[in-house]
Amino acid sequence: GESVGLHLPTLSVQEGDNSIINCAYSNSASDYFIWYKQESGKGPQFIIDIRSNMDKRQGQRVTVLLNKTVKHLSLQIAATQPGDSAVYFCAETDTSNTGKLIFGQGTTLQVKP
Amino acid sequence: KAGVTQTPRYLIKTRGQQVTLSCSPISGHRSVSWYQQTPGQGLQFLFEYFSETQRNKGNFPGRFSGRQFSNSRSEMNVSTLELGDSALYLCASSWSGYTDTQYFGPGTRLTVL
Repeated sequence: GESVGLHLPTLSVQEGDNSIINCAYSNSASDYFIWYKQESGKGPQFIIDIRSNMDKRQGQRVTVLLNKTVKHLSLQIAATQPGDSAVYFCAETDTSNTGKLIFGQGTTLQVKP
Repeated sequence: KAGVTQTPRYLIKTRGQQVTLSCSPISGHRSVSWYQQTPGQGLQFLFEYFSETQRNKGNFPGRFSGRQFSNSRSEMNVSTLELGDSALYLCASSWSGYTDTQYFGPGTRLTVL
């Protein structure tokens, strides 16, 4: 069925450590993947994206890795800060599904001071 | 550039009533997608509009409908409200809807009593 799963519902890390949030997807046809951050009372905020012709993409303090062989996506956050505390969602789509993102269940990242 | 705006931010309705939510996309974006977010089901795709035409639709009953105007602004309507319709309704806009980044608004929190 349609699903983009995340391995852990909650991840707790110490401030300054690196965080890794994982996601498994099921649709082999998906060719575009996005990570979103959602803070309480707000809409999802774009973090970083990656297309299926890439394995890795880096942004500011964030890196997304895509392993198409095992249909796995991960988000790495370097030097995690208290402001990174939020729910993180991975989402996937493909060109046949115009305007439709399929979201995972989300991982809550808690940053301990 | 202004982000996606949604009005109203909060709504309280009773069962059987109908409701209309509004979304103004980022300037230049022609694709508008709508999502329902609940704690139990997560983020689920409702429908997508482009150039005033619905191009894609999720698995929701016909009580959920939408439209898009020539300026790309969009509305969604829910008729005969049920308790289970209580949710955060999010709209997102993108340039084309074809594997490009969707940017989300803050959402409309609908409570059905």
